[in-house]
Amino acid sequence: DAKTTQPPSMDCAEGRAANLPCNHSTISGNEYVYWYRQIHSQGPQYIIHGLKNNETNEMASLIITEDRKSSTLILPHATLRDTAVYYCIVKKVTSGSRLTFGEGTQLTVNP
Amino acid sequence: DTEVTQTPKHLVMGMTNKKSLKCEQHMGHRAMYWYKQKAKKPPELMFVYSYEKLSINESVPSRFSPECPNSSLLNLHLHALQPEDSALYLCASSQGPGREHEKLFFGSGTQLSVL
Repeated sequence: DAKTTQPPSMDCAEGRAANLPCNHSTISGNEYVYWYRQIHSQGPQYIIHGLKNNETNEMASLIITEDRKSSTLILPHATLRDTAVYYCIVKKVTSGSRLTFGEGTQLTVNP
Repeated sequence: DTEVTQTPKHLVMGMTNKKSLKCEQHMGHRAMYWYKQKAKKPPELMFVYSYEKLSINESVPSRFSPECPNSSLLNLHLHALQPEDSALYLCASSQGPGREHEKLFFGSGTQLSVL
């Protein structure tokens, strides 16, 4: 599975959009981009995943560049409860059950 | 019910003790996982069970012994642990192999301290 690079920390004002970048320049054609987050004292929580098209669900939007070498997770209206570590993970579908977490980005939403 | 329940939430044990961590899910998932997470580090995969059979062991020391008695339950038996084994132990489940985009559902973990 390709390696990902994320900034170690980011800040965002409450009510504003939080844009979390992820670099995955060595991604291959059969690898998907997944995002999970981990709120303090809880287990990780699935957010969204995508291959090459932009994706949106009730939690967030995922924008993947045309060359697929980077992506951005967008939380459109961040709240204090969105303060968490956000993990960007690249995984082949054929990797089966092995999900490998990188260091992630600590997002702090400020009032 | 989309919960993965782990017990106990906290555990303190000595290096000569034997203890077990328990994990339960009632989502009909056929894959279950143990992850270990040290403070301020990402979770690291330890074991994967698929249809109640061990499918992945990430070279975990034998003092950690997983068990999957049925499709809803996962245990992690601990024996002769070291202080460096102190960590948050996370259980997760997913629908099972062959599901193209498996989402993992995690419990809140057991915070283990080895004295």
